[in-house]
Amino acid sequence: AAGVIQSPRHLIKEKRETATLKCYPIPRHDTVYWYQQGPGQDPQFLISFYEKMQSDKGSIPDRFSAQQFSDYHSELNMSSLELGDSALYFCASSFGGGLTGELFFGEGSRLTVL
Amino acid sequence: GNSVTQMEGPVTLSEEAFLTINCTYTATGYPSLFWYVQYPGEGLQLLLKATKADDKGSNKGFEATYRKETTSFHLEKGSVQVSDSAVYFCALSEWNAGNMLTFGGGTRLMVKP
Repeated sequence: AAGVIQSPRHLIKEKRETATLKCYPIPRHDTVYWYQQGPGQDPQFLISFYEKMQSDKGSIPDRFSAQQFSDYHSELNMSSLELGDSALYFCASSFGGGLTGELFFGEGSRLTVL
Repeated sequence: GNSVTQMEGPVTLSEEAFLTINCTYTATGYPSLFWYVQYPGEGLQLLLKATKADDKGSNKGFEATYRKETTSFHLEKGSVQVSDSAVYFCALSEWNAGNMLTFGGGTRLMVKP
């Protein structure tokens, strides 16, 4: 069965550079969530979208922005990167705003900021 | 706000030992409760879930019961295997909170042969 696809899987950037992560949800899923997991930390909710509209906002820095496109894929844009942004970024998808409460996670994009 | 507290790891067990990972939660409403597992270098996978009080979630020999009176969702397995070595996250979500997951800090399980 198709799963959540994230790209790139690994990304290395310098401080102050910009990075873009992409997430392709499971077909027919209309809700996307972004999480950030620092080394040895639990995943922290960043932001979510339902039907291409932002639905909730968590601890997302002002330097980050995200959107969901007409085909339901989502992109997380990160600017002025800092060392502390080095983390595993997970995307998750669900259907109907998460009616069942179950989120399906991608394998994550590992960002390293040097 | 919502929060999840789970026992700190690492938990080190011998193969075939009994496993319990404690999880308690605080929520404003009636959350759904989940256990996610993260194997080394991989993403989060749903292990089991329970959506209302007294429900028991079970999968791959793991089980957890939603206890509203003690606000707990402890994970148990009768006989662990080396392949169960991973990090386990307890989590909750609430429909009226956008269904985003609130995770506990994770518990690393190491099973030795």
